Amino acid sequence: EAGVVQSPRYKIIEKKQPVAFWCNPISGHNTLYWYRQNLGQGPELLIRYENEEAVDDSQLPKDRFSAERLKGVDSTLKIQPAELGDSAVYLCASSFGRANTGELFFGEGSRLTVL
Amino acid sequence: DQQVKQNSPSLSVQEGRISILNCDYTNSMFDYFLWYKKYPAEGPTFLISISSIKDKNEDGRFTVFLNKSAKHLSLHIVPSQPGDSAVYFCAASGGSVKGGKLIFGQGTELSVKP
Repeated sequence: EAGVVQSPRYKIIEKKQPVAFWCNPISGHNTLYWYRQNLGQGPELLIRYENEEAVDDSQLPKDRFSAERLKGVDSTLKIQPAELGDSAVYLCASSFGRANTGELFFGEGSRLTVL
Repeated sequence: DQQVKQNSPSLSVQEGRISILNCDYTNSMFDYFLWYKKYPAEGPTFLISISSIKDKNEDGRFTVFLNKSAKHLSLHIVPSQPGDSAVYFCAASGGSVKGGKLIFGQGTELSVKP
């Protein structure tokens, strides 16, 4: 069974440029998460979807970040314009149902470097 | 406000010995705790978990202990193997942290020397 697939794996852009990340969750997983991991820190939730509905986006910087999950499967996370502080690894994860007591399955991440 | 803290950024142990990774939390409403393991250039993978109604959970070489009064949990790896070298994150959920949102600690990098 395929795991969570993310692309691109690496992205280098100049500040003020836009960037987008794509995630394909594990088949059948209705809950999808975008986390951001800064260097030396643990992952922090940006947004959580249940099917196509964003049920928790309280940590998403909405002035420059946007996300969508059309048809309740794949998801994209966009940053426009990117700032130097956005350099981080963006992790997508999925689970079947709410993961209060279950595990999240993470993708390999998309490493963003903003110059 | 760091609700989950791993105060040791790194740990080095000899192969065959015990590795003990520690984690402290501040939110007494957390009711579920998990450990994730992360290799370089890979995403975190689930390792072991424990509910707040228990004080110990064991899975092979891995045991997690929970001390609710101290708001402390630890992961024991016995015996440690070189393949265990990775970054370990503890995570917590529950209470006001609802609906599948996990709060992660900063991680501890374990190095197991042959």
